This record gives sequence, structure tokens and C-alpha cells, in this order.
Amino acid sequence: AQTVTQSQPEMSVQEAETVTLSCTYDTSESDYYLFWYKQPPSRQMILVIRQEAYKQQNATENRFSVNFQKAAKSFSLKISDSQLGDAAMYFCARVGTGGFKTIFGAGTRLFVKA
Amino acid sequence: SQTIHQWPATLVQPVGSPLSLECTVEGTSNPNLYWYRQAAGRGLQLLFYSVGIGQISSEVPQNLSASRPQDRQFILSSKKLLLSDSGFYLCAWKGGAYNEQFFGPGTRLTVL
Repeated sequence: AQTVTQSQPEMSVQEAETVTLSCTYDTSESDYYLFWYKQPPSRQMILVIRQEAYKQQNATENRFSVNFQKAAKSFSLKISDSQLGDAAMYFCARVGTGGFKTIFGAGTRLFVKA
Repeated sequence: SQTIHQWPATLVQPVGSPLSLECTVEGTSNPNLYWYRQAAGRGLQLLFYSVGIGQISSEVPQNLSASRPQDRQFILSSKKLLLSDSGFYLCAWKGGAYNEQFFGPGTRLTVL
């Protein structure tokens, strides 16, 4: 089965500190895309960052960066200089380059302490 | 640019009543469309997806059905709601260079 696993149901970080959210996945495909989505209390799903599996360079979007380890099938999200607005549910997801269905993890709830 | 709309935003319905949730996409043609359900504090459960008009794939046997009467319209329905149908329903379309999903604002359904 093709799964995405987020082993941390909840995480907490102090404002201005750095936090890393973990994600592992299982696939037999060689080409695919990986994503992190943020769901704030409004419940609107927002794409935070994406990674192409055939690119070794880790993606970065401002304070958000990933650590992509293809051989280990690991895709963690690092949030630097955490802000109160980063408090949300974060979902890791994977889709094949020609796939119809995106596989989502169960989510990690991030709390940011002032 | 593309936008996705869902309505209503909030709905409270009695058990046994019918349901119709609507999702429309603007700014793209022939999108792949999806319905997800999310229980409180939980992950996303894919309910249905559609690759074209009249084409519906069901992921989970349940009390719900979906239809796609027009290219950019996706409807989620039920003839008789159950308490277990309560949840947050998200519509999404898949596009872009990376096959990412773009989500609507969602509908919060409470069945009493």
C-alpha cells in the first residue's frame, strides 16, 4: 500500500524558534511530488511547499524548508523563526507524476507558544 | 487565475434529510475534481474523484453520492443523512505543474 506517515500527532515550539515536522512515505514509483499543506483554524488548506522527487536540492520557501531523503523516503518540514500564525495542522502528501490521487498523512498539529 | 468555490459554508441538517453540496471551479477546463471529508482534528478521507463530466470514482462505500453535471461543477449528495455524515467537506481540483491539489474553503456539516 502506498502510505504517508506522520508520526508526530502534536508538536510544540516557542515563538522565534525552529521546529521540524517528520514525514515518511512508501512508494514503488521513482517520479513523484511531495507537498506540505497547512490547515489553520479557518480550515482552509494552503500549500506551503512542494518538492519534485527527481530534484536532489531541497525546496525552500522563505522560513519553510524541507529535508528530502529519497532513499530513506523521508520528507521533513523545517519551520524557522516560528510565528504565532504558524500554529495549524500540517499535512504531508504525495502524488505520482501521472497519478490521480494524492495520498495525505494523518497530520501534525503545531502549537506555537508566545 | 483559478478559483474554487464551495457552498454552503455551514449547514445543519436533521437525520434523514437530503443533502446537496456544490463545488465550482473557475479559470481552468477539464480539471480533476475531488471530494474529501475531514472529521474534527483528523486527516482527509477521499470520498470521490472525477476526471470528467459524468465520470465518478467512489473511494469509500457510504451514504453519499457525487455527480459532475458540468465540466467545472462537482456535487456531493445524500438522500438521507446519518449522524455519521457530520464533518468538514472539502472540494479540491488537481492542476499545476506539480499535480498539486487546490482546495475550496470547505463546508461544515452538522447532522442532528
